[in-house]
Amino acid sequence: AQSVTQLGSHVSVSEGALVLLRCNYSSSVPPYLFWYVQYPNQGLQLLLKYTSAATLVKGINGFEAEFKKSETSFHLTKPSAHMSDAAEYFCAVSEEGSNYQLIWGAGTKLIIKP
Amino acid sequence: KAGVTQTPRYLIKTRGQQVTLSCSPISGHRSVSWYQQTPGQGLQFLFEYFSETQRNKGNFPGRFSGRQFSNSRSEMNVSTLELGDSALYLCASSSGLAGGPGDTQYFGPGTRLTVL
Repeated sequence: AQSVTQLGSHVSVSEGALVLLRCNYSSSVPPYLFWYVQYPNQGLQLLLKYTSAATLVKGINGFEAEFKKSETSFHLTKPSAHMSDAAEYFCAVSEEGSNYQLIWGAGTKLIIKP
Repeated sequence: KAGVTQTPRYLIKTRGQQVTLSCSPISGHRSVSWYQQTPGQGLQFLFEYFSETQRNKGNFPGRFSGRQFSNSRSEMNVSTLELGDSALYLCASSSGLAGGPGDTQYFGPGTRLTVL
């Protein structure tokens, strides 16, 4: 069965520092992987997705993620954090054999220190 | 293009009552998914409808039900409300399959349900 693990319910970084949000998945077949962001009092918004093309995926707002099959990981990074990046980030996985049902991680709250 | 709209935005009910939440997807989108979000459980998938048919279902009791109309609008119903049903209920739409590689899911702002 698929599962998604996001390491760290809260991650705190200083403004201008590297952002690294971790996501590990389990899937028996090639997965499709997604990162979504939820700003306070809003719905979720797609940041980026991996669909078996390039392993390094670039998304909106300067975020990118790299699919590493050997590590079953899809970590989200941004070189320089901005105050506006403070939000909750969700990793999700789906696979064709499961009707593309999205399996979600628990989410990571990103806190930006001035 | 208008985004996903959910009505009402806020709702207060008492235990034992039932509630119906509404979701209007982006025009042209055929898939609507529902999620429950709570601080303790995070984001939990309820169900997905595609062209009026339920495609996927999460692990929720039968008190939670949904349907989709021919214009793709969807409703979610919770009967016999419990205190633990207090949550933010999110609706999302996509033109194709929600978790498929070729599509993007767009979320509404949610309905905040409080059960007293």
